Amino acid sequence: ETGVTQSPTHLIKTRGQQVTLRCSSQSGHNTVSWYQQALGQGPQFIFQYYREEENGRGNFPPRFSGLQFPNYSSELNVNALELDDSALYLCASTMDSNWGYTFGSGTRLTVV
Amino acid sequence: KQEVTQIPAALSVPEGENLVLNCSFTDSAIYNLQWFRQDPGKGLTSLLLIQSSQREQTSGRLNASLDKSSGRSTLYIAASQPGDSATYLCAVGVYGGSQGNLIFGKGTKLSVKP
Repeated sequence: ETGVTQSPTHLIKTRGQQVTLRCSSQSGHNTVSWYQQALGQGPQFIFQYYREEENGRGNFPPRFSGLQFPNYSSELNVNALELDDSALYLCASTMDSNWGYTFGSGTRLTVV
Repeated sequence: KQEVTQIPAALSVPEGENLVLNCSFTDSAIYNLQWFRQDPGKGLTSLLLIQSSQREQTSGRLNASLDKSSGRSTLYIAASQPGDSATYLCAVGVYGGSQGNLIFGKGTKLSVKP
């Protein structure tokens, strides 16, 4: 399987709710990173997983959490949603970061 | 802390023109630099990847250069077409830290007019 697939493409949630975003990476891509991109900004690093363990985290609160599974899929969970969480969430994966990252098409989250 | 800056923030050109997008970074300790294209509301498509030991990479009408010592990269687009209209992002690859392995600029929004 080629490419990185994210689901859902869009969703709308109410402030205070919880959300789970999903990402399916290419076979062999044992590193996955999640990014948040606000309108007009570059992507901001949330966290990274390597072989199912978190091995790097950006300046995001603990209510942002994740999981990576043996089948190269991963999840981003956000609890207690706030209006400022509205953004495009991007998943990226790689077999070796020296070879560059492949990005998914993103999930557009709107919190109302 | 590594910072990546892209100039200009927006650019509008007539079809057929050659153009250059600029990217600068503050810390030369990078292992690669990647240029991406992003269409409105969509994900990132990788255009070119330059390793830190390389000076340039080419793909079709695109040519990217890297001068690590001066902290600069350029993306040259030849004979621009309306289909090139998108936001172009550069990202430097670094080893870990709170910023992650890939640090982005804010992008240059390109509009190519027919």
